[in-house]
Amino acid sequence: ETGVTQSPTHLIKTRGQQVTLRCSSQSGHNTVSWYQQALGQGPQFIFQYYREEENGRGNFPPRFSGLQFPNYSSELNVNALELDDSALYLCASSPAGSYEQYFGPGTRLTVT
Amino acid sequence: LAKTTQPISMDSYEGQEVNITCSHNNIATNDYITWYQQFPSQGPRFIIQGYKTKVTNEVASLFIPADRKSSTLSLPRVSLSDTAVYYCLVGDMRNAGNMLTFGGGTRLMVKP
Repeated sequence: ETGVTQSPTHLIKTRGQQVTLRCSSQSGHNTVSWYQQALGQGPQFIFQYYREEENGRGNFPPRFSGLQFPNYSSELNVNALELDDSALYLCASSPAGSYEQYFGPGTRLTVT
Repeated sequence: LAKTTQPISMDSYEGQEVNITCSHNNIATNDYITWYQQFPSQGPRFIIQGYKTKVTNEVASLFIPADRKSSTLSLPRVSLSDTAVYYCLVGDMRNAGNMLTFGGGTRLMVKP
């Protein structure tokens, strides 16, 4: 069974640019959530996708957007990058209605 | 979502039992209590979940008193590899959005 994978591992972008992060969910999981984790803090919920529809959103501006594909993989897009967007971005998958989420290793984004 | 309060950090020695307590005074009737473990530069990993009384699995025990306003994660005979950040989360994960709200967590340092 393949776990949650994310790409790329690391990324460096310039302020104002756009970035796309990718996540492949664990086999059999149809729900994907994205989190932002700043250094030294706990993960902050961005949004969740269930069956290709956004199913909940945290306190993040509209320039954070996402997609889920029929195979349940997902993308996180961030437009107009700001320095404060520098963080570890985590993807987590779960079966629908499950309490347990399985996290990927994350993508480290640095905005300069 | 119920707010949680945990100690910022704890120290222990190899072989000792570690108990980390989390306060969640405004826990709702449908809320469950879930604990995650996170190592540096990795995504959080599910440890244990419970609703009331005591839950035990192969890695930890979770004690929840009758009023459910707090919970205690117990790690038996810790080793150096248990050095990590431990997060307590409270919520009804079955709701649409399946949102996990992480607090600051407890940074556990296990010493030889």
